[in-house]
Amino acid sequence: ETGVTQSPTHLIKTRGQQVTLRCSSQSGHNTVSWYQQALGQGPQFIFQYYREEENGRGNFPPRFSGLQFPNYSSELNVNALELDDSALYLCASSVPGQYFSTDTQYFGPGTRLTVL
Amino acid sequence: GEDVEQSLFLSVREGDSSVINCTYTDSSSTYLYWYKQEPGAGLQLLTYIFSNMDMKQDQRLTVLLNKKDKHLSLRIADTQTGDSAIYFCAESTSGGGNKLTFGTGTQLKVEL
Repeated sequence: ETGVTQSPTHLIKTRGQQVTLRCSSQSGHNTVSWYQQALGQGPQFIFQYYREEENGRGNFPPRFSGLQFPNYSSELNVNALELDDSALYLCASSVPGQYFSTDTQYFGPGTRLTVL
Repeated sequence: GEDVEQSLFLSVREGDSSVINCTYTDSSSTYLYWYKQEPGAGLQLLTYIFSNMDMKQDQRLTVLLNKKDKHLSLRIADTQTGDSAIYFCAESTSGGGNKLTFGTGTQLKVEL
């Protein structure tokens, strides 16, 4: 039990639609990262938020966006859904150490998104 | 660039030791991690090692790091059926946020 929760558990959308996924972090964890895990692959870094500001982004297009709120919750928004967006979306929260390199990331159970 | 590679599959008998291997390419990696993922679940952090260490032991888990060869291994002693899962190694670099780069995962199957 990591104390990180995600909703919904599963979601089915059609191409072109928009989706919002939610994550609730542990209290005090002011950094949240989002990852996309396609079937049979390792997670891929989407972006990270620290104190409500984006703090690093992976190789994902701008239609992937996020928000972080003061109550340790966050959102991942994906516009204009494509079939390849079907994946497990994981959020991870942490408290950054010096230079952000010593923090341990605690993962939620993920949201399974299917795009038809 | 960053790339992390793992073998895809490992099968062991219950009670034997398991060794899962990983190679990475980013020489600036500061921490290297091992995560476990059970079916339908998120990632569970098992252990991590700082890049200036060469070994770390934590109960049944032993992590070995060869920084020269950029090779990381996870040894699980006395492997149990509950250890069956996918194991991911991941590296992180300092600066610009703690972005984790994951391998493709090794599926460990423990047989009776």
